[in-house]
Amino acid sequence: GQNIDQPTEMTATEGAIVQINCTYQTSGFNGLFWYQQHAGEAPTFLSYNVLDGLEEKGRFSSFLSRSKGYSYLLLKELQMKDSASYLCAVFENDYKLSFGAGTTVTVRA
Amino acid sequence: IAGITQAPTSQILAAGRRMTLRCTQDMRHNAMYWYRQDLGLGLRLIHYSNTAGTTGKGEVPDGYSVSRANTDDFPLTLASAVPSQTSVYFCASSDGELGTQYFGPGTRLTVL
Repeated sequence: GQNIDQPTEMTATEGAIVQINCTYQTSGFNGLFWYQQHAGEAPTFLSYNVLDGLEEKGRFSSFLSRSKGYSYLLLKELQMKDSASYLCAVFENDYKLSFGAGTTVTVRA
Repeated sequence: IAGITQAPTSQILAAGRRMTLRCTQDMRHNAMYWYRQDLGLGLRLIHYSNTAGTTGKGEVPDGYSVSRANTDDFPLTLASAVPSQTSVYFCASSDGELGTQYFGPGTRLTVL
């Protein structure tokens, strides 16, 4: 079974930083993904963590702690186009992705 | 075709009708997946296929069937649609079962 928790909504100001947390309790662990999904569109891949630590990709960074069952996605220098849902997903023992319900981020001017 | 395409974009269907959602990818990915996305529940796996000729059940397979006759196509069939199958359906593919999954644009299905 799987239990993946992330906040439902977050609001931040343009130019600010927002951190989206994800905690998980799953049947095994083979990596964690973050996807971005704009309203009415498909999820698009942002990052993948399989080892502990921070992965940085431009304005977006993702952190993983396997011992704590915890990840976060950090969005820096927020832009209006970053308003979207952010989905945390865990690769379990059977290599199937289990998704959290998603965090809707609203960026305000 | 570039990436993954799905058809139709949206559909309104009477309960009890049969419906096939189409998914085609041109990336030669071995693995393909069908998810449904419902408000507050996130994406849930319906069926998957690790390679052409094989399929498997996901978290919510009841009422759905799939086939994988070749690498590119992975249709999802609702044999007799019910209102609880109203959802947005996403097809995805990956280069092997360990690869990053890439999603199609989705099909919005309403069953009345």
